[in-house]
Amino acid sequence: LAKTTQPISMDSYEGQEVNITCSHNNIATNDYITWYQQFPSQGPRFIIQGYKTKVTNEVASLFIPADRKSSTLSLPRVSLSDTAVYYCLVGELWDMRFGAGTRLTVKP
Amino acid sequence: GAGVSQSPRYKVAKRGQDVALRCDPISGHVSLFWYQQALGQGPEFLTYFQNEAQLDKSGLPSDRFFAERPEGSVSTLKIQRTQQEDSAVYLCASSQGGEANTEAFFGQGTRLTVV
Repeated sequence: LAKTTQPISMDSYEGQEVNITCSHNNIATNDYITWYQQFPSQGPRFIIQGYKTKVTNEVASLFIPADRKSSTLSLPRVSLSDTAVYYCLVGELWDMRFGAGTRLTVKP
Repeated sequence: GAGVSQSPRYKVAKRGQDVALRCDPISGHVSLFWYQQALGQGPEFLTYFQNEAQLDKSGLPSDRFFAERPEGSVSTLKIQRTQQEDSAVYLCASSQGGEANTEAFFGQGTRLTVV
């Protein structure tokens, strides 16, 4: 299992771009990188997934360097509703293990 | 259904009581996961099913915890002789499976309080 390390918390302001970096030094060849978002009293929600280079969808971008030992989730122009916990997961689908996540607080 | 459904949403159990938590995954989804989430913590993996086969139960904390998915759709997580440390939110997730690395969809969870 590839262990992940993320900052415990981050603060930002509305309209700013937020980048959350996840370290995963012992990522395996078959492992993918997946990010989930969780609001209070709700189950986690899939944000984005990638294997290498860059992935972008309507919500976020995921940057993965060539060595794949880290990844960065980028949220463009955050709003107050982006306040949540963000989890980085590394592994195969059947092996989804969450860490403690990063608590992002967006301020007005 | 439109999403993963879990019932009950809330359960209060007296210590020593047995409980059963139900998960209705998205129709046709092959993979099903159970997680336990304590207050302020990330979800902790409990077990994983592919259709009716329980392929990984390494996260079940004790032999008081038992999960089943007999027909490859609905799943039940059973906790026998509940203890106070079992108080948590129990989350169920499903995914299409069949190939690696597809999105998992979570239910809203069952909040279990053991008194």
